[in-house]
Amino acid sequence: DAGITQSPRHKVTETGTPVTLRCHQTENHRYMYWYRQDPGHGLRLIHYSYGVKDTDKGEVSDGYSVSRSKTEDFLLTLESATSSQTSVYFCAISESWSSGGTGELFFGEGSRLTVL
Amino acid sequence: ILNVEQSPQSLHVQEGDSTNFTCSFPSSNFYALHWYRWETAKSPEALFVMTLNGDEKKKGRISATLNTKEGYSYLYIKGSQPEDSATYLCAPPSRYSTLTFGKGTMLLVSP
Repeated sequence: DAGITQSPRHKVTETGTPVTLRCHQTENHRYMYWYRQDPGHGLRLIHYSYGVKDTDKGEVSDGYSVSRSKTEDFLLTLESATSSQTSVYFCAISESWSSGGTGELFFGEGSRLTVL
Repeated sequence: ILNVEQSPQSLHVQEGDSTNFTCSFPSSNFYALHWYRWETAKSPEALFVMTLNGDEKKKGRISATLNTKEGYSYLYIKGSQPEDSATYLCAPPSRYSTLTFGKGTMLLVSP
C-alpha cells in the first residue's frame, strides 16, 4: 500500500473555528491532492500541489487554503469552518508520467470532519 | 471542469450475473482514462489507467475497453460476486494528473 497518512481521521469542530488537515506521504511522489466526498457529488477536487510550494485551485476551492513546504506534507486549512464544509476529505498522491508513473492516484484513508 | 457522465447511476444484480457500465468523457485533448473501485467505508483504488484507443485492460473478472474518438469507456464484470459490490468511478486526467471524477456507478451484488 502507498504510504499515505491523513490526520486527524475524525474531527468535530464548531462553526468559525480554524481547522487544519494533514496529509503525509512516504512515497516521494510529486503530486498531491485534496478531494472532498459528498452525497450526490462524488469526489471533487479542492486543491492540488505539483511540487514544493507549488499549488493550485481545484473545482471547489472557496473557503480552503493549502500549503506544501516539503515533499511529504500537504496541509489543507479551513480558515473559518462552516457547516457546508462538513464532509469526508481524501488526500491522494500520484507520480508524474515523466518520472515513470502512470498518473494513478493513491488515496489516504480519509478524514471525517463535522462542523457544528 | 470536464464533463464526465457515468451510467447507470446504480445497479443491483444477482450473484453470477455479468454487468457493464459506461463512462462518457470529452474526446478532445484526450490522453488517458482512469477507472477506480470504491468500497463503502474505504478509499478509492485504481483498477485501470487506459491510454490507447481500442485499448482493453483486464484484471480477473473485470475488464475495460476504451474508445477515445467517441469519448466513452465500458467496464465489464463477468460473473459478479458480492465482493464486487462497490462504486465504480471513471476519470479523465487534466493538468498535473488532476482527475475529474464522474459521480460513479453504485453496484450491489446480492448472493
